[in-house]
Amino acid sequence: GAGVSQSPRYKVAKRGQDVALRCDPISGHVSLFWYQQALGQGPEFLTYFQNEAQLDKSGLPSDRFFAERPEGSVSTLKIQRTQQEDSAVYLCASSPRPRDPLNEQFFGPGTRLTVL
Amino acid sequence: DAKTTQPNSMESNEEEPVHLPCNHSTISGTDYIHWYRQLPSQGPEYVIHGLTSNVNNRMASLAIAEDRKSSTLILHRATLRDAAVYYCILNYNQGGKLIFGQGTELSVKP
Repeated sequence: GAGVSQSPRYKVAKRGQDVALRCDPISGHVSLFWYQQALGQGPEFLTYFQNEAQLDKSGLPSDRFFAERPEGSVSTLKIQRTQQEDSAVYLCASSPRPRDPLNEQFFGPGTRLTVL
Repeated sequence: DAKTTQPNSMESNEEEPVHLPCNHSTISGTDYIHWYRQLPSQGPEYVIHGLTSNVNNRMASLAIAEDRKSSTLILHRATLRDAAVYYCILNYNQGGKLIFGQGTELSVKP
C-alpha cells in the first residue's frame, strides 16, 4: 500500500522567504509527527498531531514555524522568513494509534530544505 | 529523558553477523527499547522493539540484558542493503514522540 509521502522532495529558498512543506500520511493514521534533521545528526521532534488537534508543539524552534492538519489527514509545515539555520531535512511520520509507545512510526522520505 | 549511548560507527563484512550495542543505564521500568534505521537519503524505518525478553522478527533480533541497562541489535547476515544509521531509542514517557541520538553508522563491505 501507499506509504507516507512528502512534497516537495527538495526546496531551495532565499533567506526571508516563506515555505510550505506537505505531508500525506498513511490513510487512517491518527498520529502525525514532524521532525527536523540537520546534516549528520539524528532527527529531532518538532510537533505532534492527534487527528486535527496539535497536542504537542514543544519542539518548534521559533514562532516562525507553524504546522496544521485541518482535516486530520494531510499536514503542512510552514516556515516564515526562512533563515540559513533552517536548512535541514524535514521528516513526517504517521502511526495508527494515538501516543502509544508501542506504535511503529512510518516515515516519509523527507523534504530537504536549503536556505541561501 | 532516558539517554542511550551507541558507537559512532561500525564495519561489517557481507554475509557475516553484526552486533550493534546500545547502553541505556538510566532506563526506567516502563521504557520500551526501539530500534530504527535510516538508509541513505531515506526516512527512518522501524526495525524492532522489546521490553524485557529477547525478540526476533524477519529483519533482526534484539537481545536485552537481564538488568535492561544495555541491548544489542543483531543482524544475522549483513547485506550491502543493511548499510545505514541504526538508532536505539527508549520510548515510554515521551508522548509517542521518538527521541533520536546520534546512532551507529554501519558500513558493510562486500
